[in-house]
Amino acid sequence: GQNIDQPTEMTATEGAIVQINCTYQTSGFNGLFWYQQHAGEAPTFLSYNVLDGLEEKGRFSSFLSRSKGYSYLLLKELQMKDSASYLCAVSYYNTNAGKSTFGDGTTLTVKP
Amino acid sequence: NAGVTQTPKFQVLKTGQSMTLQCAQDMNHEYMSWYRQDPGMGLRLIHYSVGAGITDQGEVPNGYNVSRSTTEDFPLRLLSAAPSQTSVYFCASSLRLNQPQHFGDGTRLSIL
Repeated sequence: GQNIDQPTEMTATEGAIVQINCTYQTSGFNGLFWYQQHAGEAPTFLSYNVLDGLEEKGRFSSFLSRSKGYSYLLLKELQMKDSASYLCAVSYYNTNAGKSTFGDGTTLTVKP
Repeated sequence: NAGVTQTPKFQVLKTGQSMTLQCAQDMNHEYMSWYRQDPGMGLRLIHYSVGAGITDQGEVPNGYNVSRSTTEDFPLRLLSAAPSQTSVYFCASSLRLNQPQHFGDGTRLSIL
């Protein structure tokens, strides 16, 4: 299979920095997405990585190491509204023909 | 620009009933997909389509049918509802495979 592993829950303080990790099987890797999902709402796209390195978008950054099968989402200057679930999704070009497989998500709680 | 529209938002069915969940997108996206999300879990792919007239199975297709007669519409049919199909259903679309997906607001379905 193509297991995608991410921590179930994380807690951080408002104004701090938090890093959410995601590991995946490397065979057939095509690209990696991060989505944010607030409770009771639909997922929304945050970032996409296909090459090694860091992609920065304002307070959010995403890093990818293709050889290690590892990605992280970095959230800076945390705000209360960042409390949500963060989903890592990986696209494989072999067995899944490019479709995305999702991890179970990391629930982030931001405390005052 | 409405994006991805799902109807209904909520539905309660009795075991054995059938129904169709509607999904429409106005972005001229080729790729559309249906996911289910159970409490505390990620998204699991039910069926997907890479264009009008083309559909294929995802991870959990049993008990569901789809069709794609137009680019815009991708309905999901439950053939004979079972309590195990109680879940939140999301429809998503993207320009092509391996592109960020846009999600509808979801349908919360309960099977009694």
